[in-house]
Amino acid sequence: GNSVTQMEGPVTLSEEAFLTINCTYTATGYPSLFWYVQYPGEGLQLLLKATKADDKGSNKGFEATYRKETTSFHLEKGSVQVSDSAVYFCALRSGNTPLVFGKGTRLSVIA
Amino acid sequence: DTGVSQDPRHKITKRGQNVTFRCDPISEHNRLYWYRQTLGQGPEFLTYFQNEAQLEKSRLLSDRFSAERPKGSFSTLEIQRTEQGDSAMYLCASSSSAGKDTQYFGPGTRLTVL
Repeated sequence: GNSVTQMEGPVTLSEEAFLTINCTYTATGYPSLFWYVQYPGEGLQLLLKATKADDKGSNKGFEATYRKETTSFHLEKGSVQVSDSAVYFCALRSGNTPLVFGKGTRLSVIA
Repeated sequence: DTGVSQDPRHKITKRGQNVTFRCDPISEHNRLYWYRQTLGQGPEFLTYFQNEAQLEKSRLLSDRFSAERPKGSFSTLEIQRTEQGDSAMYLCASSSSAGKDTQYFGPGTRLTVL
């Protein structure tokens, strides 16, 4: 079945540091890939997505590239801010199936 | 567009009681999903509707759980005879049925069973 594995947290970075959160997946067919973010006390928000191989999703300075050859969708940001502190979830969806999520990675950015 | 809303935001109940949660999707979305999220885990799929039809149910959805979407708009999720293991955040999401459309999530209902 479909599954997502993402790096365990928590991840603690200083402001302006480079961020990478690894995500790999197993799926049948050609899934769409997503990163969702959950800020403290808030619901899940879509951060970015990619629907086919080699697509790059980007939003708010975050980027992730759909790599079919390595079945990965790693999240990156060149310079994190305190306001980026949140839990980040990698997810996939094949066709009309429901989303399958990873366990989440908590990011804390300190000033 | 006011987004997906859920009510209540928090619910504390005693073991054995019944609880019901409501989800109002984005108005033009015809698909509605329920997920459950426990501490330190990602959301897990429970069930989903296209219009008023319940098209898929997860094995996580025991006989004590029932979901409805009677008019294809809002949905309710009922848990009967709650157990402590039901304590979790219950998330609702909606999407259109167009292609690979994105799911948009509500704020969730946090259930605590004492």
